[in-house]
Amino acid sequence: SAVISQKPSRDICQRGTSLTIQCQVDSQVTMMFWYRQQPGQSLTLIATANQGSEATYESGFVIDKFPISRPNLTFSTLTVSNMSPEDSSIYLCSVRGEGSGYNEQFFGPGTRLTVL
Amino acid sequence: GQQLNQSPQSMFIQEGEDVSMNCTSSSIFNTWLWYKQDPGEGPVLLIALYKAGELTSNGRLTAQFGITRKDSFLNISASIPSDVGIYFCAGQERVSGTYKYIFGTGTRLKVLA
Repeated sequence: SAVISQKPSRDICQRGTSLTIQCQVDSQVTMMFWYRQQPGQSLTLIATANQGSEATYESGFVIDKFPISRPNLTFSTLTVSNMSPEDSSIYLCSVRGEGSGYNEQFFGPGTRLTVL
Repeated sequence: GQQLNQSPQSMFIQEGEDVSMNCTSSSIFNTWLWYKQDPGEGPVLLIALYKAGELTSNGRLTAQFGITRKDSFLNISASIPSDVGIYFCAGQERVSGTYKYIFGTGTRLKVLA
């Protein structure tokens, strides 16, 4: 399975500011995703990060609020823009396996965001 | 978004006991995944299931892909304190030509030593 790292691991931010979260994978992966996990809740898909093109957002999530970059097959960023306390969550980067492991999906350690 | 229903929502068990939890959906899935999430960590993949009726083990963990393809089960035998955590199921659905995973609501497990 791929090894996924995220930066920062946690942050406390002021309302109205923006935070960019980085995701680095130790191998090239085709499919990369960003999820949000609100306190005590399950995982909700924000978007699929597409290499070399615009991300594909799920219903309820928009590019202006959560811009995503995917410059290559090992790296992606998620920005949480104009933050409010409702954005306090864990943000998780996730990748699909390659080849025969395509149906398996792996997660990074997450970025725990608190917005004051 | 859509979520899968997991049961029970939480459970307290004694160390050494066996644990059973399940995940149900109104939709048919082709793949089921089971994850464990420890506090402050990302989910870790435990077991993947690809065929209806399939029974797969990973150490003390055994998971089954329901024959209706609308449910899945996870069993933990002889629980130990480090089994504490949140267990999530995930079902794979095809939406607009792409495959996405829908996650369950989670089962919080607490093991009493």
